[in-house]
Amino acid sequence: ETGVTQTPRHLVMGMTNKKSLKCEQHLGHNAMYWYKQSAKKPLELMFVYNFKEQTENNSVPSRFSPECPNSSHLFLHLHTLQPEDSALYLCASSQDQAGGLSRGTDTQYFGPGTRLTVL
Amino acid sequence: AQSVAQPEDQVNVAEGNPLTVKCTYSVSGNPYLFWYVQYPNRGLQFLLKYITGDNLVKGSYGFEAEFNKSQTSFHLKKPSALVSDSALYFCAVRDYRRSTGTASKLTFGTGTRLQVTL
Repeated sequence: ETGVTQTPRHLVMGMTNKKSLKCEQHLGHNAMYWYKQSAKKPLELMFVYNFKEQTENNSVPSRFSPECPNSSHLFLHLHTLQPEDSALYLCASSQDQAGGLSRGTDTQYFGPGTRLTVL
Repeated sequence: AQSVAQPEDQVNVAEGNPLTVKCTYSVSGNPYLFWYVQYPNRGLQFLLKYITGDNLVKGSYGFEAEFNKSQTSFHLKKPSALVSDSALYFCAVRDYRRSTGTASKLTFGTGTRLQVTL
């Protein structure tokens, strides 16, 4: 257990559905991340939140909508997804420098991921 | 932009033998280097990191890695492999720039699958 939980662990949805992924961290960290992991490709950073403020959106399509209501919770709202969006979605958290200016020394701790299949 | 390469898709080792998983990087500033391991149907677990100081870094589960600035490498090693070490290993790098006092996002390699057999 890394102190980062994700629900659901598996999700199958149609292209017209709306669903949400949830992430919760119990480590007292101030930064949270969404990554996409597809087969044969490096992990892709999607979004970064620092002190509940979005500090990075890595050119992610608008059908993915993040929400960070507090430093412990992170959501990824999904709507009108495409089959190529099928992947493992990983959440991570870290204790980062205030103001979104990362010193880079912090370690990111990952949740177990949500395996998403879009039909 | 920073990058990291893991030249081997798979490494096969017999249990009890030493193992090495290779990683090379490219940054314009100072590298901060990380190793993670991923077991089937699990997220990434942190193994170790190099920020500064001693070039030999010791981490979890008996793993260690050696930072080599001249060869821009950060290979992961273990003196004696276990079957339970079989997993997917990821190297990652951040590019720290002293001029701004900030670091880039964490960039991952494509992963190396380690297979340890009896």
